[in-house]
Amino acid sequence: DAGVTQSPTHLIKTRGQQVTLRCSPKSGHDTVSWYQQALGQGPQFIFQYYEEEERQRGNFPDRFSGHQFPNYSSELNVNALLLGDSALYLCASSLGGQGYSNQPQHFGDGTRLSIL
Amino acid sequence: AQTVTQSQPEMSVQEAETVTLSCTYDTSENNYYLFWYKQPPSRQMILVIRQEAYKQQNATENRFSVNFQKAAKSFSLKISDSQLGDTAMYFCAFGSQAGTALIFGKGTTLSVSS
Repeated sequence: DAGVTQSPTHLIKTRGQQVTLRCSPKSGHDTVSWYQQALGQGPQFIFQYYEEEERQRGNFPDRFSGHQFPNYSSELNVNALLLGDSALYLCASSLGGQGYSNQPQHFGDGTRLSIL
Repeated sequence: AQTVTQSQPEMSVQEAETVTLSCTYDTSENNYYLFWYKQPPSRQMILVIRQEAYKQQNATENRFSVNFQKAAKSFSLKISDSQLGDTAMYFCAFGSQAGTALIFGKGTTLSVSS
């Protein structure tokens, strides 16, 4: 049973560039959440996708956008990269339908994004 | 807005000893969920234990147990018989009943030595 998979593992970009990170949820899960984790800090919620729509969004600028595909996989896009966007980006999946609010989120290994 | 506070940035313990990690939170909700996640250097966030706020009984998973004090909004993690493999960063997290965003604390780095 495959867990949450993220690609790529590491990525180096320069300021002003754009980046796309990818996530495949755990088998059977239909909801994907994205988090940004700065070095030495706890993860910060970016947004969550359910049924191909953004269901909730954290306090992140519009430069951060996402998408969920019919197979439940998801992408996180970040435009006009800033030095402060350097972080570990974590994807988490869960069951998100009605009645599943108590299901825990399962995390992937993350993508380490470095901005030069 | 909910907040989660972990007041111990670092802790250390010897193998086989017991250690308790502290967590407090703030919320106006009555029904919610609390979690402890472990993040080793390999960086994958691993669920350690979960507590539903409507349950008075404290959750237990093998060597891991919690002390949930709803009125005090406190949720501490006790690790018994500590092992070298328990070395990791531990995060306390709050989840609303709606099941969307998790709110994390800043974490506690736990070092277990032989």
